[in-house]
Amino acid sequence: DQQVKQNSPSLSVQEGRISILNCDYTNSMFDYFLWYKKYPAEGPTFLISISSIKDKNEDGRFTVFLNKSAKHLSLHIVPSQPGDSAVYFCAASGLTGNTGKLIFGQGTTLQVKP
Amino acid sequence: SAVISQKPSRDICQRGTSLTIQCQVDSQVTMMFWYRQQPGQSLTLIATANQGSEATYESGFVIDKFPISRPNLTFSTLTVSNMSPEDSSIYLCSVEVSDRGYGYTFGSGTRLTVV
Repeated sequence: DQQVKQNSPSLSVQEGRISILNCDYTNSMFDYFLWYKKYPAEGPTFLISISSIKDKNEDGRFTVFLNKSAKHLSLHIVPSQPGDSAVYFCAASGLTGNTGKLIFGQGTTLQVKP
Repeated sequence: SAVISQKPSRDICQRGTSLTIQCQVDSQVTMMFWYRQQPGQSLTLIATANQGSEATYESGFVIDKFPISRPNLTFSTLTVSNMSPEDSSIYLCSVEVSDRGYGYTFGSGTRLTVV
């Protein structure tokens, strides 16, 4: 069963506009959520995280929103830049005592057009 | 955050052979993690490696197929044994950082193709 889902395989936005990437999860026991960016031939790079006790975390152009009742989180990138073009993965942890076990979504490919 | 060096970056191997992937970290870490990303799929945790103890494998992964070594706090290896084309994937190691809020650092990955 897919406990973390990214239902949009791809997203295309214009440079300077907002990019919104969505992620849904099924298990309310997750207590930490993370977003990673991945370029081809590279490992995932950590972007931003949020604890389940918060509903928003902001870091520069990146903001993550968490809606626990809907089991939904989103990553907002404002303004979007061509260098943001990559695959974005959301991940969740906290189901077991191994906090390092991350459960990833399938990824969303973001293309930012100049 | 930690810097991870993972080798090899890619390899093409014959079925039935084995490949050992190395992961070197520039600082001491307690836990190291090995993930697999099959083509078009998300990342899946294979096992967690603690120094001085046996690795802990996730459901669907066994030690005979994916033996792991963790000889010290900065190094680990993952071996993919008796390979078949279904093992063609990207394999990544990851390490914890001091605070979960800072995420986990990943190596650049090993792209394995089995022919």
